[in-house]
Amino acid sequence: SYELTQPPSVSVSPGQTASIPCSGDKLGDRYASWYQHKPGQSPVVVIYEDSKWPSGIPERFSGSNSGNTATLTISGTQAMDEADYYCQAWDSSTAVFGGGTKLTVL
Amino acid sequence: EVQLVESGGGLVQPGGSLRLSCVASGFTFSNYWMSWVRQAPGKGLEEMANIKEDGSEKYSVDSVKGRFTISRDNTKNSLYLQMNSLRAEDTAVYYCARDIEVAGSNDWYFDLWGRGTLVTVSS
Repeated sequence: SYELTQPPSVSVSPGQTASIPCSGDKLGDRYASWYQHKPGQSPVVVIYEDSKWPSGIPERFSGSNSGNTATLTISGTQAMDEADYYCQAWDSSTAVFGGGTKLTVL
Repeated sequence: EVQLVESGGGLVQPGGSLRLSCVASGFTFSNYWMSWVRQAPGKGLEEMANIKEDGSEKYSVDSVKGRFTISRDNTKNSLYLQMNSLRAEDTAVYYCARDIEVAGSNDWYFDLWGRGTLVTVSS
């Protein structure tokens, strides 16, 4: 079965850039999406089709996907960006999620 | 307002059954594939099953095949998950989600999620 791997945690200072990688075999041949999930809330898609923004998502969120790695980048990170982030791809008719990365804004 | 609202969660003993529901509003429910995604305590997101717009195709992950059944009633704008033979490891928040296909590909993502309903399997 297909697997996506993320680091458990990433820390960033306010105003700095955070990068969260997601690795999977030939992930660049698929589309990757990213979700922000805060405790007690619904997950929210922040990037889809590797690098597109849903309406209402700030442009400080950006994404890329090439080779075996997709990356979510948050520029000018704010305290409100502290959350768990999950990458997701599609395999054999069901979604596959990475294990999630807890972003801490110190 | 475009939204999904789940219900039906609760405490159930191992081996028991529950039926989760998800009611959609604000969009044409019958035009979308739909999914159930869960998050166990301290764990990540995991899709359980999905179902085609008209219910004619369904897919589920191996861990729930034969135990969980996804269905829908487009006349009621509702999605369901019948869960049988529940185990402690099925304890989780269960979300329903709307599937969106990336045009020209076989890749999908979830653009709308409910708030979730908690299922606790314990004696």
